[in-house]
Amino acid sequence: EPEVTQTPSHQVTQMGQEVILRCVPISNHLYFYWYRQILGQKVEFLVSFYNNEISEKSEIFDDQFSVERPDGSNFTLKIRSTKLEDSAMYFCASSEKRTGETGELFFGEGSRLTVL
Amino acid sequence: AQSVAQPEDQVNVAEGNPLTVKCTYSVSGNPYLFWYVQYPNRGLQFLLKYITGDNLVKGSYGFEAEFNKSQTSFHLKKPSALVSDSALYFCAVRDVTSGGYNKLIFGAGTRLAVHP
Repeated sequence: EPEVTQTPSHQVTQMGQEVILRCVPISNHLYFYWYRQILGQKVEFLVSFYNNEISEKSEIFDDQFSVERPDGSNFTLKIRSTKLEDSAMYFCASSEKRTGETGELFFGEGSRLTVL
Repeated sequence: AQSVAQPEDQVNVAEGNPLTVKCTYSVSGNPYLFWYVQYPNRGLQFLLKYITGDNLVKGSYGFEAEFNKSQTSFHLKKPSALVSDSALYFCAVRDVTSGGYNKLIFGAGTRLAVHP
């Protein structure tokens, strides 16, 4: 069964460092997303990406965050200067269709980011 | 404001008994509703969705959910619980203010513990 894969599974970094989280969405999917879950809190939407551009982003997704699809398979989330409050589990997801066309999201297993 | 509420932090059920995990929503217009499950150290897995049609929706692993418009609820149910059903369950609703790019609003999650 096709699945979304994420690397690394866990990353520890120092505050102020740059981090890149990588995702390989399901191959025939067109829509890509990042969500995050701070420990003990809700899963929160960060950004959606379609046709090589951001289609929507939340207020969390400020200038320190960026996304990129550098080739035909990878989808990355970059955090430029990490802060303690960026510590969370980051989930990548992809979908074949929009929700309006009954497309559900398929999530990866997550990348746990710990900022010290 | 759009929201999803899962009133129970944890639900305890004996194996073989029926289970219900509650979810209520608040959204303008017709809701698109989803249930996801998260097993330990895994990503979110899609269980089922309600878009339109029959109020009783059947999903993966024997789960079903009933959409009740008058009570704005979408409770997850299973006739006979298994120990392997023990996991974290998330209800989600599509954010109708989004451009249809699958921005989901998640509930806080309910931990289901099924005891032998």
